Amino acid sequence: KQEVTQIPAALSVPEGENLVLNCSFTDSAIYNLQWFRQDPGKGLTSLLLIQSSQREQTSGRLNASLDKSSGRSTLYIAASQPGDSATYLCAVGPGDSNYQLIWGAGTKLIIKP
Amino acid sequence: GAGVSQSPRYKVAKRGQDVALRCDPISGHVSLFWYQQALGQGPEFLTYFQNEAQLDKSGLPSDRFFAERPEGSVSTLKIQRTQQEDSAVYLCASSLEGVGSGANVLTFGAGSRLTVL
Repeated sequence: KQEVTQIPAALSVPEGENLVLNCSFTDSAIYNLQWFRQDPGKGLTSLLLIQSSQREQTSGRLNASLDKSSGRSTLYIAASQPGDSATYLCAVGPGDSNYQLIWGAGTKLIIKP
Repeated sequence: GAGVSQSPRYKVAKRGQDVALRCDPISGHVSLFWYQQALGQGPEFLTYFQNEAQLDKSGLPSDRFFAERPEGSVSTLKIQRTQQEDSAVYLCASSLEGVGSGANVLTFGAGSRLTVL
């Protein structure tokens, strides 16, 4: 059974720092992996989607990598800003389905001004 | 519409009451998903619709949960005889394509927070 883990559960860093959020999964047979951010009362916003054949995706200050063999993905945030404060979740699309996402519990990120 | 709209945003129910949660997906989106998110946890899949067809309901936790999308647009998640363990945020998401069409970028609604007393 696929399990997705995100460590740490919470992270606080000063504004301007580069940071890395981690996501690990137990079964390498995945269709894709997605990173989302969740703001209180605003639902989930898709940030990046990496197909199983890809190694990384970039959007602005965000870069997500995928290493299927080791069961790991990282989300790199460059030059962090207070507006980046949110909970970041990764979700794995299983190999036999591209929609029944399996989610981590998230990392709550606080960027201190 | 411009985004996925869910109503009500907040619902308080007494144990044993029936509740209905509504989701208005983005117009023209084929796929619609319901998820349940407990406090401090990631969402858990409940059910999936492709147009009006409910293709997967394996995540529904009991037969008290029922979902429909009769005309392939608006969907309703109904919970009968609510229990305290049903307290959670219920998230709806939609995507343009159906299953098997490649990458499915999901657009989520803000969720409906259900509290069962």
